[in-house]
Amino acid sequence: SQQGEEDPQALSIQEGENATMNCSYKTSINNLQWYRQNSGRGLVHLILIRSNEREKHSGRLRVTLDTSKKSSSLLITASRAADTASYFCATSNTGNQFYFGTGTSLTVIP
Amino acid sequence: KAGVTQTPRYLIKTRGQQVTLSCSPISGHRSVSWYQQTPGQGLQFLFEYFSETQRNKGNFPGRFSGRQFSNSRSEMNVSTLELGDSALYLCASSSRGSGARTDTQYFGPGTRLTVL
Repeated sequence: SQQGEEDPQALSIQEGENATMNCSYKTSINNLQWYRQNSGRGLVHLILIRSNEREKHSGRLRVTLDTSKKSSSLLITASRAADTASYFCATSNTGNQFYFGTGTSLTVIP
Repeated sequence: KAGVTQTPRYLIKTRGQQVTLSCSPISGHRSVSWYQQTPGQGLQFLFEYFSETQRNKGNFPGRFSGRQFSNSRSEMNVSTLELGDSALYLCASSSRGSGARTDTQYFGPGTRLTVL
């Protein structure tokens, strides 16, 4: 399977703390994207990082990409209760097919 | 722009029946992809349509099929439903393949299918 793996599978933190989740993938990629999914709903696009980029920021989000290790990390700083959701990484290759990771379930405790 | 819409939002069917789900992409998007999401298997790619042609296909049996119309709206059909087909079916549209620089996918709210 070319599906990625997220780590950890579940994460529980206090409001105000930082949350870090990791994604590993198996094949070469064009870009990697992170999505958020609130319970039972559609996915919301958070951020895209291209294969020639190493780090990207968007508001409280920071994404890193290490293509040599085939891994990426998503950091959410100063977490809020509203950040409670599942987070997925998705990779896109030259075949234009998306592969989603298994997801990290984040719970932010108020 | 209006987002991706999916109908119906919830559906209950019995084994052996068939079902058709509908997806309207964001205006101007010509690529529509379908995914199945289950607790055990996660998000799995079903197929992608672009300009009324299936461009990519995941590893699902032939009971799963789809089509796209000239206005980019898409339908997916599942025939001879099985209990294991119970899932959240997500549709996503993107502007990729239309000269867009990125291939970000925008998802609809999904259709929750329950097979009894």
